[in-house]
Amino acid sequence: DQQVKQNSPSLSVQEGRISILNCDYTNSMFDYFLWYKKYPAEGPTFLISISSIKDKNEDGRFTVFLNKSAKHLSLHIVPSQPGDSAVYFCAAVVQTGANNLFFGTGTRLTVIP
Amino acid sequence: DSGVTQTPKHLITATGQRVTLRCSPRSGDLSVYWYQQSLDQGLQFLIQYYNGEERAKGNILERFSAQQFPDLHSELNLSSLELGDSALYFCASSVGQLSRSPLHFGNGTRLTVT
Repeated sequence: DQQVKQNSPSLSVQEGRISILNCDYTNSMFDYFLWYKKYPAEGPTFLISISSIKDKNEDGRFTVFLNKSAKHLSLHIVPSQPGDSAVYFCAAVVQTGANNLFFGTGTRLTVIP
Repeated sequence: DSGVTQTPKHLITATGQRVTLRCSPRSGDLSVYWYQQSLDQGLQFLIQYYNGEERAKGNILERFSAQQFPDLHSELNLSSLELGDSALYFCASSVGQLSRSPLHFGNGTRLTVT
């Protein structure tokens, strides 16, 4: 049972425009959410996170939005750069539980120069 | 460089065989996690160790086992291998609570079972 879902396997965006990657979750107990970026032949690297007590967290060009009532979060990248081309994974955790991350299946972002 | 080291990078073996994947966590990290990524799948959590003790189990098959040694490195043992076990296996480490210290991943071991 996939508790974290990324329904868009791929996304193409022009350089300089906004990239919006979406993620849905089913487990209402999740209280901390993370985004990871993965380049080919490398492991995922941490990008940005958000606690369930917030609805927005910003770090430079990256902003994560959380809508708890809809069990939905999104990652905005503005402006998008060719170096952002990678696979992006959404992940969620119940902090008081087993403390392991549940990952989505990933969205491959291609930023076109 | 995440500081997490996984060996080997690639492994090709036959069905029915047994392999061992090795992971050295970042210096100072006590928790080690193992994940499996099959084709077009997300990262599936297998097992977590904290300071030598098993802390949590995910979708890990009975044919698979793991351990964390006193020097904190970890090994994932896969036995009676099947074609469907072909996947990328990632190790990750953290200091402790994921909200304070996100997971840091190694570059993975690509296992091909023929």
